[in-house]
Amino acid sequence: DTEVTQTPKHLVMGMTNKKSLKCEQHMGHRAMYWYKQKAKKPPELMFVYSYEKLSINESVPSRFSPECPNSSLLNLHLHALQPEDSALYLCASSPRDPASTDTQYFGPGTRLTVL
Amino acid sequence: GNSVTQMEGPVTLSEEAFLTINCTYTATGYPSLFWYVQYPGEGLQLLLKATKADDKGSNKGFEATYRKETTSFHLEKGSVQVSDSAVYFCALSDSGGGSQGNLIFGKGTKLSVKP
Repeated sequence: DTEVTQTPKHLVMGMTNKKSLKCEQHMGHRAMYWYKQKAKKPPELMFVYSYEKLSINESVPSRFSPECPNSSLLNLHLHALQPEDSALYLCASSPRDPASTDTQYFGPGTRLTVL
Repeated sequence: GNSVTQMEGPVTLSEEAFLTINCTYTATGYPSLFWYVQYPGEGLQLLLKATKADDKGSNKGFEATYRKETTSFHLEKGSVQVSDSAVYFCALSDSGGGSQGNLIFGKGTKLSVKP
């Protein structure tokens, strides 16, 4: 099973709201990733967790706050977002540390709209 | 640094036509190479991969060969179907060149197949 699940599928929020995106995998993978994808663009890396520790933060604004409660779960907490943050947010996982260049498996994404 | 260049789209073909999407890369080490496909409104799915020179990845009639001498990983399919309409991303993962094994994506090529 190479499934990564993400909830919710769609999210609409105002600029003052606080919401969270959730990602889950049960493949025993030890690296998990958050990407942001704007329309007609490739995914852009936001955060990487390796063995439940944040290993990469690609200069993402603090209104995005990642959390890895355990090896199967990855959350992205959202607060005071801007309309330009509207995008498809993708979660991915890979078996080992990113430096091993293992295949990353992606979830279906959460389509976020900020009003 | 590491980079991926793939042919600009969109590419429009008739059903049963031959498909080639060109992809070339720059990497400092020995990257793994991937093709991902994204159907409308969905996340990325791994289509195929190759981890060393002269490897051929194949899946669902698609093929790509890792050519170190030409630094290329072109995607081919002998007979496309309407259901192949999607955006195709070439990507590499290299533990060198400062990328820490993270995926480096090309810009994506949109394929439309007409009946």
